[in-house]
Amino acid sequence: DVKVTQSSRYLVKRTGEKVFLECVQDMDHENMFWYRQDPGLGLRLIYFSYDVKMKEKGDIPEGYSVSREKKERFSLILESASTNQTSMYLCASSSGQGGEKLFFGSGTQLSVL
Amino acid sequence: QKEVEQNSGPLSVPEGAIASLNCTYSDRGSQSFFWYRQYSGKSPELIMFIYSNGDKEDGRFTAQLNKASQYVSLLIRDSQPSDSATYLCAVNTRGTDKLIFGTGTRLQVFP
Repeated sequence: DVKVTQSSRYLVKRTGEKVFLECVQDMDHENMFWYRQDPGLGLRLIYFSYDVKMKEKGDIPEGYSVSREKKERFSLILESASTNQTSMYLCASSSGQGGEKLFFGSGTQLSVL
Repeated sequence: QKEVEQNSGPLSVPEGAIASLNCTYSDRGSQSFFWYRQYSGKSPELIMFIYSNGDKEDGRFTAQLNKASQYVSLLIRDSQPSDSATYLCAVNTRGTDKLIFGTGTRLQVFP
């Protein structure tokens, strides 16, 4: 089975802090994604990556950046956390061979105070 | 107009009944369609995918796709209380591996 691991299940940070969310997948998948999920708004794509050192903006990239130095790892960075970034963050991966079946990590509930 | 639309529900059905979940999408070029199930406090898990017009069956689940009407549905036969969850419809963005998600329909199956 595909395993997508997110480093933290719950995280509490203060406004202005730099926040790193880590994600690792073990299936040699090409594609990796970061979503946030908010009640009533559903899943929204922040950033995605098709290859190492490659990144593309999703629908809501403002206030975020990403890093993919190794194929299995995709990091989401909040440069200066704000209260409106309080959310559930979900990492996902897919094989990238014409198949968009996403496999999700267990999520990180981030609270910014 | 939202790109992928679902009724938020809740949809309440008795145990043993058929639950019918619906989804419409706006991009006529979309080619891949997915249904994810998300239990409260958990992450989404893929339960069905469909690429061609018509029906696709997997156990108690049937996905139906009508590209002309830009409509995809999920039928759950013999609904069980354990099927109570939010069901997310997802559609690919033409030419990419990106998925656009609907906001989900909450299903409640009561005994």
